[in-house]
Amino acid sequence: AQKITQTQPGMFVQEKEAVTLDCTYDTSDQSYGLFWYKQPSSGEMIFLIYQGSYDEQNATEGRYSLNFQKARKSANLVISASQLGDSAMYFCAMREVNQAGTALIFGKGTTLSVSS
Amino acid sequence: EAGVAQSPRYKIIEKRQSVAFWCNPISGHATLYWYQQILGQGPKLLIQFQNNGVVDDSQLPKDRFSAERLKGVDSTLKIQPAKLEDSAVYLCASSSGQGAADTQYFGPGTRLTVL
Repeated sequence: AQKITQTQPGMFVQEKEAVTLDCTYDTSDQSYGLFWYKQPSSGEMIFLIYQGSYDEQNATEGRYSLNFQKARKSANLVISASQLGDSAMYFCAMREVNQAGTALIFGKGTTLSVSS
Repeated sequence: EAGVAQSPRYKIIEKRQSVAFWCNPISGHATLYWYQQILGQGPKLLIQFQNNGVVDDSQLPKDRFSAERLKGVDSTLKIQPAKLEDSAVYLCASSSGQGAADTQYFGPGTRLTVL
């Protein structure tokens, strides 16, 4: 069963607009972490933001915020005031703490295109 | 602080040949991961090291893939012999510890093309 689902293969937005990238997850663990990474065409995965399952407030990092709805098992990324440099692939990922390892499970990603 | 280093950045080989990738993690990071990212998909874990011990290699195709992390720092991932389906980007990541909040930092990746 897919653990991380990103249903939007591609999103298009204009500069200075806000955009929401969807992510739903599946886990039976109580303790887990949710991450968003950005992957530009250069290929490097860049860490954006983290949300812990016990965090009561939504995480924010500059223009990035995470809309965490635990009951719905969703962790959507909100990018405010989009910039041309935001054009990239975005991946949602989860770590289940009770697993043997601590590796991340990734979704298939969403391609974001920002136009001027 | 220097990031995760990987080499080579690109490699083209014929099927049945062997290839090796190198990774140097962020200084002081005990945990090192190798992921495989096939075009159009998210990265998938191949192997995880904690210092120089293997924590998880359940998804590593052990008949052709091998990895080592001697002295708990640098790591090498090898494929022998390569198949067409091994064409992918191989990403190395490192992190400092355990727990849900432990953030993994990735290197630039090695793009492998098997002809």
